[in-house]
Amino acid sequence: ETGVTQTPRHLVMGMTNKKSLKCEQHLGHNAMYWYKQSAKKPLELMFVYSLEERVENNSVPSRFSPECPNSSHLFLHLHTLQPEDSALYLCASSQGGTTDTQYFGPGTRLTVL
Amino acid sequence: AQKVTQAQTEISVVEKEDVTLDCVYETRDTTYYLFWYKQPPSGELVFLIRRNSFDEQNEISGRYSWNFQKSTSSFNFTITASQVVDSAVYFCAGMDSSYKLIFGSGTRLLVRP
Repeated sequence: ETGVTQTPRHLVMGMTNKKSLKCEQHLGHNAMYWYKQSAKKPLELMFVYSLEERVENNSVPSRFSPECPNSSHLFLHLHTLQPEDSALYLCASSQGGTTDTQYFGPGTRLTVL
Repeated sequence: AQKVTQAQTEISVVEKEDVTLDCVYETRDTTYYLFWYKQPPSGELVFLIRRNSFDEQNEISGRYSWNFQKSTSSFNFTITASQVVDSAVYFCAGMDSSYKLIFGSGTRLLVRP
């Protein structure tokens, strides 16, 4: 089993749809992250969860709603997105400390029509 | 604020050539962490190496080597005898006392047969 998995790998949605991205880590880590990778920008940190508590919200619009039910799973709920939200969404996990190395999943390629 | 600069947008080499990817990291902190990640076409960010600011020893792992020079804030990555499978986007990243992992804009490496 690969360390960090993400589903779906590709998602196309309309602006009025509601969808969710799922991330699962099999590394026994305690911290999980969501990043956004757009075509013209460096990777941007969106959210950080440590021991299932959100510790960082990097000024992300409310149309993105994260959920971390346990230390192995992380979701990103999407609703009323805009075309500019089209990007690769990457999930990562780290052992626990804030300076620990982050390990990434394969990403979900999201297209908003 | 911290900043990661990867001045080389794209590099093209012929197989078996050596190639060096440049990275400059700026922060006011004296303690920080530097990373290199590889992103193949599949999208997943693959962790390659981590260095701490207080450890200036160079590191070699097979065909990969890293040169960290604190005086010039550089953390360069060299691939010896490049192979087609090395073709990917390579990201340098840094983390200071903000505990946020900040990425450079990436260098796209194309290794031609």
